[in-house]
Amino acid sequence: DAKTTQPPSMDCAEGRAANLPCNHSTISGNEYVYWYRQIHSQGPQYIIHGLKNNETNEMASLIITEDRKSSTLILPHATLRDTAVYYCIVRVLDSGGSNYKLTFGKGTLLTVNP
Amino acid sequence: DTEVTQTPKHLVMGMTNKKSLKCEQHMGHRAMYWYKQKAKKPPELMFVYSYEKLSINESVPSRFSPECPNSSLLNLHLHALQPEDSALYLCASSQRGLAAGYEQFFGPGTRLTVL
Repeated sequence: DAKTTQPPSMDCAEGRAANLPCNHSTISGNEYVYWYRQIHSQGPQYIIHGLKNNETNEMASLIITEDRKSSTLILPHATLRDTAVYYCIVRVLDSGGSNYKLTFGKGTLLTVNP
Repeated sequence: DTEVTQTPKHLVMGMTNKKSLKCEQHMGHRAMYWYKQKAKKPPELMFVYSYEKLSINESVPSRFSPECPNSSLLNLHLHALQPEDSALYLCASSQRGLAAGYEQFFGPGTRLTVL
């Protein structure tokens, strides 16, 4: 019951910016958008999250559209080590309706090519 | 200390064995999570502990038994597992629960094989 849609795969040239899109058209006003990545056989790594405003940290930038129905994760200068599955996640309430959880979708496999 | 550690890294067990997975964090986080990840699939939430109390159980079979003995430690006790339970088991923690918008930090996982 993931609430996000991402392309299954993308390619990017090393040194170029990687722009990963995510659609979350059913997002409600108080929901955060989280981005994680997972390099093969490792634990997911937190990248960034945001609510309404654009966010930037040492790893990436997160651009959220004004209507909050979509967002883009930007890796400004992709390296070979950025090859990973990138997950865009919107937190959801559990079946009991009182606790939040992250439900991972299928993510986007980003391949950075030399 | 800014990481989540998990032991063991790899575990092979028979269907009649009893084993435990261990997860530890010393970041003062008060929410801890267990996820299961099958090959080529995204992680799936199993359990959430908040302030050492179980707050979410995603209808996980009783052969998986979580335990949170203190705020730094999370265990997953395994008994009478099936071969289809073979997977990467991931632990995560966050400062508080997701209601406050805190991010989760994941450990490297335990690769479990059930024979």
